[in-house]
Amino acid sequence: QKEVEQNSGPLSVPEGAIASLNCTYSDRGSQSFFWYRQYSGKSPELIMSIYSNGDKEDGRFTAQLNKASQYVSLLIRDSQPSDSATYLCAQTGRRALTFGSGTRLQVQP
Amino acid sequence: DVKVTQSSRYLVKRTGEKVFLECVQDMDHENMFWYRQDPGLGLRLIYFSYDVKMKEKGDIPEGYSVSREKKERFSLILESASTNQTSMYLCASRGVHYEQYFGPGTRLTVT
Repeated sequence: QKEVEQNSGPLSVPEGAIASLNCTYSDRGSQSFFWYRQYSGKSPELIMSIYSNGDKEDGRFTAQLNKASQYVSLLIRDSQPSDSATYLCAQTGRRALTFGSGTRLQVQP
Repeated sequence: DVKVTQSSRYLVKRTGEKVFLECVQDMDHENMFWYRQDPGLGLRLIYFSYDVKMKEKGDIPEGYSVSREKKERFSLILESASTNQTSMYLCASRGVHYEQYFGPGTRLTVT
């Protein structure tokens, strides 16, 4: 079983809609969770971090953490074509971050 | 802002060559990492370093070595490049809340 699971997508949403990206993890001991955005051919860019249960909002992005159910989600409001990218979920691991394989998001104009 | 730089964006090397990939960070971070990223395989940890001259193997260290002589610089060495090492190589450094900041990546092609 992969430690961090994401649906590979593509997740296709129309411009202006809410995109919902989900991630489940197996390591209950992990304390910190992160979302990265990766454009094709580029390196991952940190967009959100979350450390406690509940919601954390930053602009159009909201990260949600539920430790009891072991899932993390990322909501992108008012999705724009420029949000089209692969989104990687990550949790702290024993040595380094453990990354999911990513969900590809396509925002249709 | 954290800045992580890598010595080359694109590199083409021949089989058997020794290859050096360099990474520099400007935030005085103690922990630095080397990953490779391949389609369908995601990010895989090659090596990491938690202090100057200290290193630890990641999940796929075979065929690689690393050097950390100064805190800001972490080098990845391919002792004898092979075609299966063609990949995107990503360096990262770790902040105080365990978040990682990535460099722009080096796309290495071994022919």
